[in-house]
Amino acid sequence: AQTVTQSQPEMSVQEAETVTLSCTYDTSENNYYLFWYKQPPSRQMILVIRQEAYKQQNATENRFSVNFQKAAKSFSLKISDSQLGDTAMYFCAFMKRQGAQKLVFGQGTRLTINP
Amino acid sequence: NAGVTQTPKFQVLKTGQSMTLQCAQDMNHNSMYWYRQDPGMGLRLIYYSASEGTTDKGEVPNGYNVSRLNKREFSLRLESAAPSQTSVYFCASSPGLAGTEAFFGQGTRLTVV
Repeated sequence: AQTVTQSQPEMSVQEAETVTLSCTYDTSENNYYLFWYKQPPSRQMILVIRQEAYKQQNATENRFSVNFQKAAKSFSLKISDSQLGDTAMYFCAFMKRQGAQKLVFGQGTRLTINP
Repeated sequence: NAGVTQTPKFQVLKTGQSMTLQCAQDMNHNSMYWYRQDPGMGLRLIYYSASEGTTDKGEVPNGYNVSRLNKREFSLRLESAAPSQTSVYFCASSPGLAGTEAFFGQGTRLTVV
């Protein structure tokens, strides 16, 4: 079975700073996908970024980028030039490439951006 | 665009009562899921349906039943609610293809007293 661990329950930074959220996972699979989802106070789950394990290049989406270290089973999210609207819970998630397409989530990190 | 619609958004139940959470998607997705979200535990999979007519247990299925009524609808039933089922419940859907994005409903906050 796969497990996902987010070791930072809460983080807080000032607006415009850069922040990195950590995620590690455990799997015996070689091909899989990793995701970061954002959950603002509205409770809506929003996909932030996706990484395919067989691609070595780290994914980027505007101010969001990941540092994917396959050997270390690490998948961190970096938010540059943080904005007040980035305040949310962030969840790291894992999905196998083969078989049932189920997401396995980490515990979440509550990120607060302060003005 | 409606996406994934869950009803109700809030519910309070007494211990032992039963209820059904409804979920419908209008994206013609094959796969549908029910998750529960508890503080410090992230989202945990209760049941999922890879396609119409099939359902499978997830990580925490005890105390729940599901029905994939058709391709659009996937309901979650609590037959005899317990305080341990107090949680926020999310329905999600995806095309079912490898690595595709899952789309979530707005969630149902359920309190069992």
